[in-house]
Amino acid sequence: DTEVTQTPKHLVMGMTNKKSLKCEQHMGHRAMYWYKQKAKKPPELMFVYSYEKLSINESVPSRFSPECPNSSLLNLHLHALQPEDSALYLCASSQGGSETQYFGPGTRLLVL
Amino acid sequence: AQSVTQLGSHVSVSEGALVLLRCNYSSSVPPYLFWYVQYPNQGLQLLLKYTSAATLVKGINGFEAEFKKSETSFHLTKPSAHMSDAAEYFCAVSVGGGKLIFGQGTELSVKP
Repeated sequence: DTEVTQTPKHLVMGMTNKKSLKCEQHMGHRAMYWYKQKAKKPPELMFVYSYEKLSINESVPSRFSPECPNSSLLNLHLHALQPEDSALYLCASSQGGSETQYFGPGTRLLVL
Repeated sequence: AQSVTQLGSHVSVSEGALVLLRCNYSSSVPPYLFWYVQYPNQGLQLLLKYTSAATLVKGINGFEAEFKKSETSFHLTKPSAHMSDAAEYFCAVSVGGGKLIFGQGTELSVKP
């Protein structure tokens, strides 16, 4: 089973709201990732967690706050977002850093 | 720096025709290379990957890719296009530490 699940599927939020995106995998993978994807563009890496510790932060603004409560779960907390943050947010996982990444279906975020 | 170039942001073929999507990479070390497909409003799905075991890699849905070190290429082919192949295709190279470098993507259209 190579399934990564993400909730919610769609999210609309105002610039003063606080919301969270959730990602889950049960493949025993030790690395998990957050990507941001704008329309007609490739995914852009935001964060990498390896063995539940943040290993890469690609200079993402602090209004995005990742959290890895355990090896199967990855959250992305959102606060005071801007309209330009509207995008598809993808979660992925892999066995290790150079291994194949398996992507979830994404959360389509609209910031008003 | 490692990079991936996909030639042609949009490719259009007739149903039943050969599909050829081009990918060139630059890497100072033997690369791990991937092709992903993204259908509208979905996440990325792994088509195939090259990890140096064999230069001709077979993937899902009848796709295959050939690694050519002398040309630094990893082009994706399918002998006969199907309407369901219409999607966005991304070539990517793993640069270690969990980072994937994506090409800009190629949108494949299939005409009846």
